[in-house]
Amino acid sequence: SQQGEEDPQALSIQEGENATMNCSYKTSINNLQWYRQNSGRGLVHLILIRSNEREKHSGRLRVTLDTSKKSSSLLITASRAADTASYFCATAARGGSYIPTFGRGTSLIVHP
Amino acid sequence: DAGVIQSPRHEVTEMGQEVTLRCKPISGHDYLFWYRQTMMRGLELLIYFNNNVPIDDSGMPEDRFSAKMPNASFSTLKIQPSEPRDSAVYFCASSLGIGSPLHFGNGTRLTVT
Repeated sequence: SQQGEEDPQALSIQEGENATMNCSYKTSINNLQWYRQNSGRGLVHLILIRSNEREKHSGRLRVTLDTSKKSSSLLITASRAADTASYFCATAARGGSYIPTFGRGTSLIVHP
Repeated sequence: DAGVIQSPRHEVTEMGQEVTLRCKPISGHDYLFWYRQTMMRGLELLIYFNNNVPIDDSGMPEDRFSAKMPNASFSTLKIQPSEPRDSAVYFCASSLGIGSPLHFGNGTRLTVT
């Protein structure tokens, strides 16, 4: 079963707008990771946030983590057509195997 | 660094045939994972290895599936006999350590007719 679940399932925006995706999970985690998958390709790691961190930035990406609500969000600012992809969160469960378990992803389409 | 290399990229086979998928992880990575991706079930972990030893194969759907890692630079996932419901994209990934980011190959798209 999926530990993390992304919301929304699909998101369609115009170039230049911000895109926000959310991830909810069920059990305590060691860390949470976000990945991107372009059509026909493998997943690419974007950012890792540890359970004792609340916010992390990487370029146009901003990730927040709220362990009390068991949720995370990924914000892509000033989106570009090249950001069109599926985005997945993966959680490494504390006290478990620490193997990342993936959600079903958010499909993002950025219109030029 | 060439990244994780998977072969073949596409495989089309008939039901009942044996299928072997191959993976070369990133050199120095101690963990290797096999995932399967379908529209219905998303991305499922099938099995993972640590230092060439299988650690957890509870995700392997049934006895028709087997995986090996004879050395640190090569792993195989075999399906024998294959069935149409095995059609999916199979990904191999490797990582430096437990809980570390995964590096994925570009997958093998398997179609069983």
